[in-house]
Amino acid sequence: NAGVTQTPKFRVLKTGQSMTLLCAQDMNHEYMYWYRQDPGMGLRLIHYSVGEGTTAKGEVPDGYNVSRLKKQNFLLGLESAAPSQTSVYFCASSRATGTTEAFFGQGTRLTVV
Amino acid sequence: AQSVTQLGSHVSVSEGALVLLRCNYSSSVPPYLFWYVQYPNQGLQLLLKYTTGATLVKGINGFEAEFKKSETSFHLTKPSAHMSDAAEYFCAVSDPNFNKFYFGSGTKLNVKP
Repeated sequence: NAGVTQTPKFRVLKTGQSMTLLCAQDMNHEYMYWYRQDPGMGLRLIHYSVGEGTTAKGEVPDGYNVSRLKKQNFLLGLESAAPSQTSVYFCASSRATGTTEAFFGQGTRLTVV
Repeated sequence: AQSVTQLGSHVSVSEGALVLLRCNYSSSVPPYLFWYVQYPNQGLQLLLKYTTGATLVKGINGFEAEFKKSETSFHLTKPSAHMSDAAEYFCAVSDPNFNKFYFGSGTKLNVKP
């Protein structure tokens, strides 16, 4: 039972570099989410998707882009990394909002120097 | 939009003592409420959830929470803390109207021997 898998688990980037974080879920969930976690700020929603081919902005979308070409995958891209994007990134998926909970990946720790 | 407030970013209890972690929410619709736990360097895992029905909800590891609509609260309790309970706890609310989960800023629980 893999659940939600994030790759990579750790990454160090230089300012201005780009990268893509991959999230894969094997639960056939419709909804997927990208959050960032920073000390004292809880989890803040970056982007989310309610189905294959759809994406929407969350609370803090600036500097990030996403794609959901396949139902099981949700990619988060940083086009030009900035030190303010140093954070732990979590992907989550859910069957639907409401009564069903979200399932989380193990996180990606990203440092931008 | 929903919001979640967790009072106390750090809570410290002695082993065997009562654990009480506070969560208040704002919602214009009947909420669905969740508590998650995060152990160091891990993702979030569900402790318990309230959707409808009985307002006292039991979860894993001896935790329970009570939904009080009049107080817009969903506090988490455990009668007797164990060292293994040391972790960060997040309260969350889901809003089906917006396909999102909203998280509080988290409470770190420290358990003293």
